[in-house]
Amino acid sequence: RKEVEQDPGPFNVPEGATVAFNCTYSNSASQSFFWYRQDCRKEPKLLMSVYSSGNEDGRFTAQLNKASQYVSLLIRDSQPSDSATYLCAVTSGGSNYKLTFGKGTLLTVNP
Amino acid sequence: GAVVSQHPSWVICKSGTSVKIECRSLDFQATTMFWYRQFPKQSLMLMATSNEGSKATYEQGVEKDKFLINHASLTLSTLTVTSAHPEDSSFYICSLDRGSQPQHFGDGTRLSIL
Repeated sequence: RKEVEQDPGPFNVPEGATVAFNCTYSNSASQSFFWYRQDCRKEPKLLMSVYSSGNEDGRFTAQLNKASQYVSLLIRDSQPSDSATYLCAVTSGGSNYKLTFGKGTLLTVNP
Repeated sequence: GAVVSQHPSWVICKSGTSVKIECRSLDFQATTMFWYRQFPKQSLMLMATSNEGSKATYEQGVEKDKFLINHASLTLSTLTVTSAHPEDSSFYICSLDRGSQPQHFGDGTRLSIL
C-alpha cells in the first residue's frame, strides 16, 4: 500500500461546481497534514494545513479523520483559476517535517 | 514573498555533464533543507535531507555518490547531479524546514539531459 494515496482524477467540472478531493495515508503515526496546489511546471504552493478539528479558508474546507487515516479537501463555487493539481502531503513524524506526497489530482474548472 | 530561491530554473545539458543546483534560504537560517524530485505525472519524491555542517541523509534507492549534497551554510544547500544521464531528467525542488511551520518550496529546477 502506498504511503499516501489520492483520487487518481482528472476532474473536469463546470465553473461553480463543488469538488471534493480525498486522500488516505498509511502511517498512523503521522502528525501533520497539508494540501498543496501545483500549477503545471511549477513548484507546489501550500494551500492549507489540515487541523484535527477541520478548518475552512474561504471556499476551501479541509477535514481530517485520524481514525480512518483520511484527509479531504472541498472546494465550493470552483473557479477556472482553481485549475491545478492538488497534492496531499503527510509528515512521517518527528519535528523535521519530512513530507510524503500523494501523486496529486488534476482539476480543470471550465468557464 | 519568496522565502526560498532556487537556481537555475532550467538546465539543458549533454549526457555526462555534472549539474549543480542551488537552494537559498532568503529569510531564515535553515539547518535542514529537503531535496525532492518529480518525474512527469508523478508525485514529489524525497531524495535526501540536507543538514548544515554534516552529511546529508539519503532516502532508500537514492545514490549518494550520484547526487552530491553540500550544506555548508545556514542559507545555502547545493545538489550536484554528477555525470548526468537522460534518465536523470526531472524536476528537482528544494524546501526548507522552518520548524513548526509548513515547508516552503523553491521554484524548482527543470533538468533536461540530452
